[in-house]
Amino acid sequence: QKEVEQNSGPLSVPEGAIASLNCTYSDRVSQSFFWYRQYSGKSPELIMSIYSNGDKEDGRFTAQLNKASQYVSLLIRDSQPSDSATYLCAFKAAGNKLTFGGGTRVLVKP
Amino acid sequence: DGGITQSPKYLFRKEGQNVTLSCEQNLNHDAMYWYRQDPGQGLRLIYYSQIVNDFQKGDIAEGYSVSREKKESFPLTVTSAQKNPTAFYLCASSASVVGAGANVLTFGAGSRLTVL
Repeated sequence: QKEVEQNSGPLSVPEGAIASLNCTYSDRVSQSFFWYRQYSGKSPELIMSIYSNGDKEDGRFTAQLNKASQYVSLLIRDSQPSDSATYLCAFKAAGNKLTFGGGTRVLVKP
Repeated sequence: DGGITQSPKYLFRKEGQNVTLSCEQNLNHDAMYWYRQDPGQGLRLIYYSQIVNDFQKGDIAEGYSVSREKKESFPLTVTSAQKNPTAFYLCASSASVVGAGANVLTFGAGSRLTVL
């Protein structure tokens, strides 16, 4: 079993809709979770971090964490074409190393 | 502006040749990392360094070597022992490896290596 599982997509959403991305992880000890956005051919950039159960909102992005079920999700409200990218889920594993999922490709269609 | 500079951006090499990828940061970060990314895949950790003259193997260190002689620099050598070196290589840094400072990685623009 992979340490981090994400649906590779592509997740196609119409402009203005909500994009919902999910990520499951296997390490029960993990305390820190992150979402990175990566445009094609570019390096990842951090968009959200979440450390406790529940929701965390930042602009059009909402991260949701459920440690009991070992999943973290990302909602993108009012999706824009500029949101088209690959979204990487990551968590802080043993030794404080970040472990990344394979990413979900999102396509926002005008 | 503070940031991470990787060079070269694109690199073509013949099979069996060693190549060295450069990574320089002016963020005064203690920790530096090298990741490899294959098409449609996530990032896999090759090596990381918490302090000058010290580094640890990541998940896929075989066929790679690093050095950390200066705080600002963390070059990666892809040796001929690496079976499938064609990939996108990303260097990153963080203020520290532990604590809150370790939570935010700053990435360079990446180096795309193609072995012919």
